[in-house]
Amino acid sequence: KQEVTQIPAALSVPEGENLVLNCSFTDSAIYNLQWFRQDPGKGLTSLLLIQSSQREQTSGRLNASLDKSSGRSTLYIAASQPGDSATYLCAVSLRAQKLVFGQGTRLTINP
Amino acid sequence: NAGVTQTPKFQVLKTGQSMTLQCAQDMNHNSMYWYRQDPGMGLRLIYYSASEGTTDKGEVPNGYNVSRLNKREFSLRLESAAPSQTSVYFCASTIRSSYNEQFFGPGTRLTVL
Repeated sequence: KQEVTQIPAALSVPEGENLVLNCSFTDSAIYNLQWFRQDPGKGLTSLLLIQSSQREQTSGRLNASLDKSSGRSTLYIAASQPGDSATYLCAVSLRAQKLVFGQGTRLTINP
Repeated sequence: NAGVTQTPKFQVLKTGQSMTLQCAQDMNHNSMYWYRQDPGMGLRLIYYSASEGTTDKGEVPNGYNVSRLNKREFSLRLESAAPSQTSVYFCASTIRSSYNEQFFGPGTRLTVL
């Protein structure tokens, strides 16, 4: 059974720092990996999608990498801002488009 | 383009009552999903519909039923609500294949007393 783990569960850093969020999965037979952002009381916003054949994707200050063989992905956030404060979720896509989620990392950026 | 919409946003039920959560998407997506999100458990798949006319169980289907009414709409029904079904429910959709990203609705916060 596929399991997805995100470490750390919570992270607090000062504004301006670069940071890395980690995601690991137990079964490398995935179609893709998706990073989401969730603000308190809100739905999920898709940030980046990495296909299983890709190594990384970039969008603005965000960069996500994927190492399928080792079952790991990282989300790099450059020059963090208070507006980046949210919970970040990773999810892997299985057959029939089913997603398996990690429990998320709650990120706080302190001004 | 409204994306994925869900109604209601909030609901309080008493144990044993029934209700239907509605979901609609206007992106012409083929596949739709229902997830629940609980503290410490993350998001878990309840049911999904890979295409119009088909539905399948996910990880936690007990106590729920679904209907894919048409390509746009996918409803989730609780026939006899239990306190264990207190959760936030999210609907999602994707165009078709496992290679495409999923888009999520804003969620329904359900409390069962």
